Amino acid sequence: KAGVTQTPRYLIKTRGQQVTLSCSPISGHRSVSWYQQTPGQGLQFLFEYFSETQRNKGNFPGRFSGRQFSNSRSEMNVSTLELGDSALYLCASSLSAGIDTEAFFGQGTRLTVV
Amino acid sequence: LAKTTQPISMDSYEGQEVNITCSHNNIATNDYITWYQQFPSQGPRFIIQGYKTKVTNEVASLFIPADRKSSTLSLPRVSLSDTAVYYCLVGPRGNAGKSTFGDGTTLTVKP
Repeated sequence: KAGVTQTPRYLIKTRGQQVTLSCSPISGHRSVSWYQQTPGQGLQFLFEYFSETQRNKGNFPGRFSGRQFSNSRSEMNVSTLELGDSALYLCASSLSAGIDTEAFFGQGTRLTVV
Repeated sequence: LAKTTQPISMDSYEGQEVNITCSHNNIATNDYITWYQQFPSQGPRFIIQGYKTKVTNEVASLFIPADRKSSTLSLPRVSLSDTAVYYCLVGPRGNAGKSTFGDGTTLTVKP
């Protein structure tokens, strides 16, 4: 079966711009979680969606937002980009909420802010 | 949130068994222990999950002592392709926001 698809794979944006990243989970999976990975901070939880509802949000400013659609696809948006937002953004999908029961990660979107 | 502590790095040789220990002193009663593997430029991959005692699957074993304050991921007969970063997560089921990735352990397998 197809895995988790994240688009785009690579993105270069300028400070102050906004960006939207997309995640298509495995068919049948209703939970999508987003993570930011940087060399200095490691893997940090952004938010989790289950059946179109945001269940949890990590400790990130309001510039980071997300949503999930009825087909379980999810998008995250970062407004007013800062240099520190440069990171690998990963999404994970799973049948049930949480990532403790075999969540599947995508390959990520590498965002570079210049 | 349960805080986890793992060794920063470990070296091993092909064919050896590797044990990576994770400390989680403030684990809660309803917390589970989950391990992920990550290769460069890829998302983490689920390895194994457990609550207590021992769990084994086709790739690894997870040993959890009775007090659950630590856990050990055991990789039998590692190969070069097992070179990766290994993360231990502790948190309740069904709540990604309460399961924190630690700094991970970089395992390097040498020929």
